[in-house]
Amino acid sequence: GNSVTQMEGPVTLSEEAFLTINCTYTATGYPSLFWYVQYPGEGLQLLLKATKADDKGSNKGFEATYRKETTSFHLEKGSVQVSDSAVYFCALGSNDYKLSFGAGTTVTVRA
Amino acid sequence: KAGVTQTPRYLIKTRGQQVTLSCSPISGHRSVSWYQQTPGQGLQFLFEYFSETQRNKGNFPGRFSGRQFSNSRSEMNVSTLELGDSALYLCASGPLAGGGDTQYFGPGTRLTVL
Repeated sequence: GNSVTQMEGPVTLSEEAFLTINCTYTATGYPSLFWYVQYPGEGLQLLLKATKADDKGSNKGFEATYRKETTSFHLEKGSVQVSDSAVYFCALGSNDYKLSFGAGTTVTVRA
Repeated sequence: KAGVTQTPRYLIKTRGQQVTLSCSPISGHRSVSWYQQTPGQGLQFLFEYFSETQRNKGNFPGRFSGRQFSNSRSEMNVSTLELGDSALYLCASGPLAGGGDTQYFGPGTRLTVL
């Protein structure tokens, strides 16, 4: 079946540091890939997505590229802010009408 | 456009009781999914509905059930509650019929079972 493996946290960074969260997947066919973010006490917010190989999703300074050859969808941001502190989830969507999530990575950015 | 709404936001129940959670999708969305989030198991898929039909169901006991109405609103029910059912229950809606489409999440219902 489909599965997502996500870099374990927690990750602690200083403001303006570079952030990378690794995500790899196993899937049959051609899945869509997503990054969601969850702030304390809230639901999941869609951060970015990519629907086919070599697509790059981007939003709020975050980027991720769908790499079919390495089955990866790593999240990057060049300069993080305190407001980026949250839990980040990598997810895969396929023709089984559900999202398969990674375990989540907690990111804390210190001023 | 209003986002996905879930009611109630918080619930406290005791073991053996049953509970019904409600979800209103984004206007125009016909796909509704439910997920359970716990610290130990992470995010787990419960079920997905499209046009009142359940298209997929996760690996949960029969105590967990759901339905979707003709206006796309959805409810999930958990009967004979157990302590392990304490979780954040998230509803998501999607605009399209296909699998793999973007899902937009509500704020969740926090269920505590005592």
